[in-house]
Amino acid sequence: DAGVIQSPRHEVTEMGQEVTLRCKPISGHNSLFWYRQTMMRGLELLIYFNNNVPIDDSGMPEDRFSAKMPNASFSTLKIQPSEPRDSAVYFCASSRTSGGVHTDTQYFGPGTRLTVL
Amino acid sequence: GENVEQHPSTLSVQEGDSAVIKCTYSDSASNYFPWYKQELGKRPQLIIDIRSNVGEKKDQRIAVTLNKTAKHFSLHITETQPEDSAVYFCAAGTYKYIFGTGTRLKVLA
Repeated sequence: DAGVIQSPRHEVTEMGQEVTLRCKPISGHNSLFWYRQTMMRGLELLIYFNNNVPIDDSGMPEDRFSAKMPNASFSTLKIQPSEPRDSAVYFCASSRTSGGVHTDTQYFGPGTRLTVL
Repeated sequence: GENVEQHPSTLSVQEGDSAVIKCTYSDSASNYFPWYKQELGKRPQLIIDIRSNVGEKKDQRIAVTLNKTAKHFSLHITETQPEDSAVYFCAAGTYKYIFGTGTRLKVLA
């Protein structure tokens, strides 16, 4: 099992540019989560998908952030336009729903370290 | 809103001693309580978890206890080793987790 795959691993961009982060969940997992980690705010859940449908996006900070999951194997998190305060490590995690109760272990990808200059 | 408090924020212990990290949660609906270990520059990795129908779980040197009435759960690491040094996060939730703010554990050789 390859685990959760994220790309790129590092991204440096200038303020105002569009940034797209990518995630491939573990095969067979039907729940996908995007997190942001900073020293100040810790690990924050941005959005949660179940069976490719966004279920909870209450953590998305503002309209500059958007996420999609066109199929079970791929998700993107887009920031447009990017700002310096978006600099953080962005993690994708996936899990498998069991019995309709979403309490399965989440497995994290390696993260994308984003720096916005 | 839903919240998970974690203490202490930093913890230093001598090699071989025990370490205890405590968390409290606010959402009574929480039924799953994982603990993650994160080394510098790495991803969070699950080390142990407990579900709401269990009061205690142990895996070698690591144990977790849960008190649902008090909404407390704790991580216990015995016979600590230098490689246990990392940041540990507790979490509580149902379909989504709320993470604690982390505990930086340093095991001194």
